[in-house]
Amino acid sequence: QKEVEQNSGPLSVPEGAIASLNCTYSDRGSQSFFWYRQYSGKSPELIMFIYSNGDKEDGRFTAQLNKASQYVSLLIRDSQPSDSATYLCAVKNYGQNFVFGPGTRLSVLP
Amino acid sequence: DAEITQSPRHKITETGRQVTLACHQTWNHNNMFWYRQDLGHGLRLIHYSYGVQDTNKGEVSDGYSVSRSNTEDLPLTLESAASSQTSVYFCASSEGLGANTGELFFGEGSRLTVL
Repeated sequence: QKEVEQNSGPLSVPEGAIASLNCTYSDRGSQSFFWYRQYSGKSPELIMFIYSNGDKEDGRFTAQLNKASQYVSLLIRDSQPSDSATYLCAVKNYGQNFVFGPGTRLSVLP
Repeated sequence: DAEITQSPRHKITETGRQVTLACHQTWNHNNMFWYRQDLGHGLRLIHYSYGVQDTNKGEVSDGYSVSRSNTEDLPLTLESAASSQTSVYFCASSEGLGANTGELFFGEGSRLTVL
């Protein structure tokens, strides 16, 4: 069974710090990787996706992918209290559906 | 603006009753999905559809059914509601199946309580 694992948290970081969220996946054939943010009581929304090994930056967010280690991470620089949410890692292969991790709850302390 | 809407947003029902959750999208997406979200489990796929008249079972499909008679709608039916089906249900849609496509667009969610 394909699995995606994340630390459930909560991960607490002070305002202005870097938050590092990690995700590992079991299906070596996975080709695309997504990070969704979900505020309490709301639906998930896409933050970033990454397909190739290495780093991808978008504003304060950086996604990092290492397919050899089956590992993907999300870095949030200059964390703000508004970043406090649950972050879902999702993995996808061609022609197949998303597999979601359980999510990591992030708390940014003012 | 295109959107995906779910109804009802909140529903309380009794064990054994039939319940239908509606999902309507105006993205004109072929792919539609139903997930349930429970603490500690993340999003788990219930049923999905890749087009009109196409329906498929996900990992937690027991006790649920869907039908797809048009592109816009994918209603989820609980034939005989059980307490274990108390959850938050999300409908989602996406455009393609390729690995480099298919961002999921989610509805607002439907919170179902089965007493």
